[in-house]
Amino acid sequence: LAKTTQPISMDSYEGQEVNITCSHNNIATNDYITWYQQFPSQGPRFIIQGYKTKVTNEVASLFIPADRKSSTLSLPRVSLSDTAVYYCLVGGSGNTGKLIFGQGTTLQVKP
Amino acid sequence: GAVVSQHPSWVICKSGTSVKIECRSLDFQATTMFWYRQFPKQSLMLMATSNEGSKATYEQGVEKDKFLINHASLTLSTLTVTSAHPEDSSFYICSASVTSGGRNEQFFGPGTRLTVL
Repeated sequence: LAKTTQPISMDSYEGQEVNITCSHNNIATNDYITWYQQFPSQGPRFIIQGYKTKVTNEVASLFIPADRKSSTLSLPRVSLSDTAVYYCLVGGSGNTGKLIFGQGTTLQVKP
Repeated sequence: GAVVSQHPSWVICKSGTSVKIECRSLDFQATTMFWYRQFPKQSLMLMATSNEGSKATYEQGVEKDKFLINHASLTLSTLTVTSAHPEDSSFYICSASVTSGGRNEQFFGPGTRLTVL
């Protein structure tokens, strides 16, 4: 399974756009890139998933360059409630869909 | 959307006792379920992959005789922590996998906080 590397922590202010980049140099052809959000004492919550180029939903955008060796989660106009840990995962293809969590990025949004 | 529940949400037990945690997919069938453990301020650690009707596949370093996993139906998997000790105190999270269009999507439960006294 491809290993991912993310910044350990990031700070931002309310109303700003936050971009979190994840490196996954060993991504396999069949792998998807998925981002999850986790609040303390809760299970991870799905944010967005993509394979290539750009994906956008109501909460975030995901940018994936042509070589797919990295991806960037973009959160527009963050609020205090976006303070959480964000995980980038690569995999989910094949028979088991096994995912291995990396360290994640702790985002602290300040007023 | 797909919902996964866990029961109980928290449990406190005495050292040496066994604790069972249930994971249910409420509105879909999941061939594969996963069990994770998370210690404070750490990431989720995959413990095992549970397939309906077959034995679970455990990750390296996870004792299969201590963490018993049963996946008897497409909507229910259970994790039993046998002879629990204080070091087993942790946040246990399950997820259920659905395959669609060649890719897998995982939906996570809310987690179960286990405290062993």
